Amino acid sequence: DAGITQSPRYKITETGRQVTLMCHQTWSHSYMFWYRQDLGHGLRLIYYSAAADITDKGEVPDGYVVSRSKTENFPLTLESATRSQTSVYFCASSDGTGGRETQYFGPGTRLLVL
Amino acid sequence: KQEVTQIPAALSVPEGENLVLNCSFTDSAIYNLQWFRQDPGKGLTSLLLIQSSQREQTSGRLNASLDKSSGRSTLYIAASQPGDSATYLCAGYYNNAGNMLTFGGGTRLMVKP
Repeated sequence: DAGITQSPRYKITETGRQVTLMCHQTWSHSYMFWYRQDLGHGLRLIYYSAAADITDKGEVPDGYVVSRSKTENFPLTLESATRSQTSVYFCASSDGTGGRETQYFGPGTRLLVL
Repeated sequence: KQEVTQIPAALSVPEGENLVLNCSFTDSAIYNLQWFRQDPGKGLTSLLLIQSSQREQTSGRLNASLDKSSGRSTLYIAASQPGDSATYLCAGYYNNAGNMLTFGGGTRLMVKP
């Protein structure tokens, strides 16, 4: 299907485990983003990527790792999950000059860290 | 710190009413502004993007305006319907924040039949 997809949609893990959240888009958009959404904090940017092999930190990058070997994929890895990383994670993509255009969001991944 | 604020946090209106959702930002150096809709348990759906050179954008029953000098944006919904019930978020790109969207906390709208 065209658009932006995320997997898994729901994930339960334990403290200290490594978890990878996947994001795939079919538009060939240059820019991709990872956000987390928490009650009381709203949406916050974790990392973003301007193109394959180009990534940069957002507002809350600590404890997360990203990579982008292909334009269409932008996985987010929690190297050693902590309870504070329990959240809803959204991937987004955009195109256009400088990336400051309409962002299109995926359906989200609900992560629970026990 | 650059912030985006949405007041009220929640709003309940009867069906058919025209309504305005407010968004304010702390710095006039905003590049462009985007309005989203989020249904419970779902992702964000982009509604409108207002470029820095524009004052407003329209899509169907929705009209969004941007006044950089006053630090305000409004989303006008005409003839509201129960299906409009959702959380509405505004988010802006600040000139000095690169590709980082700064989000407001959202307004949770309920349209009663």
